Amino acid sequence: DIQMTQSSSSFSVSLGDRVTITCKASEDIYNRLAWYQQKPGNAPRLLISGATSLETGVPSRFSGSGSGKDYTLSITSLQTEDVATYYCQQYWSTWTFGGGTKLEIK
Amino acid sequence: DVQLQESGPGLVKPSQSLSLTCTVTGYSITSDYAWNWIRQFPGNKLEWMGYISYSGSTSYNPSLKSRISITRDTSKNQFFLQLNSVTTEDTATYYCARHYVGYYAMDYWGQGTSVTVSS
Repeated sequence: DIQMTQSSSSFSVSLGDRVTITCKASEDIYNRLAWYQQKPGNAPRLLISGATSLETGVPSRFSGSGSGKDYTLSITSLQTEDVATYYCQQYWSTWTFGGGTKLEIK
Repeated sequence: DVQLQESGPGLVKPSQSLSLTCTVTGYSITSDYAWNWIRQFPGNKLEWMGYISYSGSTSYNPSLKSRISITRDTSKNQFFLQLNSVTTEDTATYYCARHYVGYYAMDYWGQGTSVTVSS
């Protein structure tokens, strides 16, 4: 199984901050990487697939980058509605998720 | 609009079987996509459990392979999860979700249903 590691389980951030969340795969996943946003009581919402492709309706302040084993999700100018937990997921070989990174307001 | 909705018992006794239904509206489960079960444990870890494809083929997480079965009723546009011999470790929120056939991300999810395994 491919393991996905999100090094930070939580972040304290301020509104307007630029936020970067990292995700590392245990082997090369060839950009088969998705990012999801989950708010309490809700299902995960797909934000980015293919490491960099923004889903329809996702604000342009979200972006993804990376290659090989290492990937990042960036949020420019954090808004109140962005406070959530973010998960990475690889789909190169079946599907596995990172442990999540929770954003909290300072 | 595509919608998925999970349903089933919220409480299951240890050693019994867990059975859930996912009802899909707005898209036929016999077209193009694979239909998944994913669960989220207390503490928020997410685990892909398996899928049934538009053609009826299935794929399961090897960690569950001996206990899981995913089937469907195309006339009702529903698919089902059965997990046998449950323990308290199977307590989780269970989601159904779809992905395009092949290896793709999950683009539509149900709202989830909480299942507790307890005597």
